[in-house]
Amino acid sequence: RKEVEQDPGPFNVPEGATVAFNCTYSNSASQSFFWYRQDCRKEPKLLMSVYSSGNEDGRFTAQLNRASQYISLLIRDSKLSDSATYLCVVNPLMDSSYKLIFGSGTRLLVRP
Amino acid sequence: GAVVSQHPSWVICKSGTSVKIECRSLDFQATTMFWYRQFPKQSLMLMATSNEGSKATYEQGVEKDKFLINHASLTLSTLTVTSAHPEDSSFYICSARPNGTARNQPQHFGDGTRLSIL
Repeated sequence: RKEVEQDPGPFNVPEGATVAFNCTYSNSASQSFFWYRQDCRKEPKLLMSVYSSGNEDGRFTAQLNRASQYISLLIRDSKLSDSATYLCVVNPLMDSSYKLIFGSGTRLLVRP
Repeated sequence: GAVVSQHPSWVICKSGTSVKIECRSLDFQATTMFWYRQFPKQSLMLMATSNEGSKATYEQGVEKDKFLINHASLTLSTLTVTSAHPEDSSFYICSARPNGTARNQPQHFGDGTRLSIL
């Protein structure tokens, strides 16, 4: 089983749609969670950290369910510029390092 | 904000050449930096953790003699791909964690280096 699993998509949605991505992680001791966005042939950029109580940043809402070991990202009112690959990222806390484990990414295509 | 500079952005060279990639934290100190590799349509895979003043920690399956890491200062880590071959062609990305930040704070990524070996 992969440490971090995501549906690769692609999700093809019209502008204005609401879309949700889920991600599961295998290490129950994981402490830190993030969503990154990666555009084609570019480096990943932090979209938002994910907190236990859930958090929102504009059109983006992240949720964490520790019992089920999954993380979600909700995007409301999709824009064309939201088209990208969304990476679920976990710090597994397997040792004292701060290394990150990346999911394979979910591709989003927003059409006019 | 925290900036990580990676150089070069693109490298095209012949098989057998050794290639050095630099990762610099421009406005913060980083005892720990990370090197990732990303093949087309795949996710980032951690190759190694670079530790200032000590040996790097390599992930399983990554050859330490093939991918030499040097972290001689608190703002610079280098990755040298020795005797590169076409299968080493990939997108190499570094990240850095500012000293003193909490575990739940994100790392900062460089722009990446696209390596093509002919």
